[in-house]
Amino acid sequence: NAGVTQTPKFRILKIGQSMTLQCAQDMNHNYMYWYRQDPGMGLKLIYYSVGAGITDKGEVPNGYNVSRSTTEDFPLRLELAAPSQTSVYFCASSPAGDGQYFGPGTRLTVT
Amino acid sequence: GEDVEQSLFLSVREGDSSVINCTYTDSSSTYLYWYKQEPGAGLQLLTYIFSNMDMKQDQRLTVLLNKKDKHLSLRIADTQTGDSAIYFCAESEGNTPLVFGKGTRLSVIA
Repeated sequence: NAGVTQTPKFRILKIGQSMTLQCAQDMNHNYMYWYRQDPGMGLKLIYYSVGAGITDKGEVPNGYNVSRSTTEDFPLRLELAAPSQTSVYFCASSPAGDGQYFGPGTRLTVT
Repeated sequence: GEDVEQSLFLSVREGDSSVINCTYTDSSSTYLYWYKQEPGAGLQLLTYIFSNMDMKQDQRLTVLLNKKDKHLSLRIADTQTGDSAIYFCAESEGNTPLVFGKGTRLSVIA
């Protein structure tokens, strides 16, 4: 199993540009999550999904959108990138709402 | 809302034991977790404990839970330089997303 994979690893965006961060898992987990990690701030939950077709907002959803059309994929969309969205983004999955398995992260810089 | 607090830094000598502490506020917490993050990597699940347990041991790792004081600790025996990382405490009620602390940076001095 590849586990949780994320692409790209790094990206630089200009203010106002859009992009999609990809996340996929091959463990048949129902739950998937997106977090952002800012220096010294721990992880903040952006969105999560308890199964295909179901998504819910987390603590910091503004400026982001998600979709969950399949069990395997959970892309995160940034529509109008802002400098405040410069961060490291982690995707995670879990079989139920418990111990989560994390991807390697996407480091995003918005300038 | 729920909150998880950890001290930010801990420094120990190689071969000593490390103890990383965490407090949480959610009295409904069912699961408590410890994650390890090495530089440039994602979070790796180290161990977890159910709220009806007091202690869990897994090789060099010992987790202690004081549910009355809402205090969780992670003890790493015989700490090695490879244990240098950021350690995150997290809690959940079971079918809710995890709430993470800000992480404790463990530095191991050779």
